[in-house]
Amino acid sequence: QKEVEQDPGPLSVPEGAIVSLNCTYSNSAFQYFMWYRQYSRKGPELLMYTYSSGNKEDGRFTAQVDKSSKYISLFIRDSQPSDSATYLCAMKGGSYIPTFGRGTSLIVHP
Amino acid sequence: DADVTQTPRNRITKTGKRIMLECSQTKGHDRMYWYRQDPGLGLRLIYYSFDVKDINKGEISDGYSVSRQAQAKFSLSLESAIPNQTALYFCATSDYQGYEQYFGPGTRLTVT
Repeated sequence: QKEVEQDPGPLSVPEGAIVSLNCTYSNSAFQYFMWYRQYSRKGPELLMYTYSSGNKEDGRFTAQVDKSSKYISLFIRDSQPSDSATYLCAMKGGSYIPTFGRGTSLIVHP
Repeated sequence: DADVTQTPRNRITKTGKRIMLECSQTKGHDRMYWYRQDPGLGLRLIYYSFDVKDINKGEISDGYSVSRQAQAKFSLSLESAIPNQTALYFCATSDYQGYEQYFGPGTRLTVT
């Protein structure tokens, strides 16, 4: 079992839908929880990060961490075609090396 | 200018050839990383370096070697390329906290 599990999708939704992307993990030492976005033919870019538990909101994006369930989520409200990308979750604990999920491919169609 | 640059961007090579992928960064970070990305497998760490004198193997280092020529430069070599090394290769850099990694644009490598 990998330390971080993420469904690769693809997830296809209509424009304006609420999107929920999720990851589970097994290492209870993880303290930083990140979401990266990767457009086709580009490198990943950090979208949001959360330290420890709780929620964080940035515009249409909300990141949630539930450490008791070892489950993190990224919600995208009012999804747009420009949100079409691969979303990778990543986590790190005391080590300086993040562990990445496999990424979920999201397609938002007009 | 991009913070992290990679050369070449695309490369086709034959089995058994030696190939070097180069990475440069202008972020001023000490930490640099090499990953490969394969469909369905996500990002896998090949090597990482915390400073010029520090090199560490990652999850999948067999068949690869690296050189940290300077704080800003980190090269990845395939000594004798094989077809299952066909993948997208990314260089990244981060500060000491490590949660935000800055990725280069990637090198698409095909080994025939």
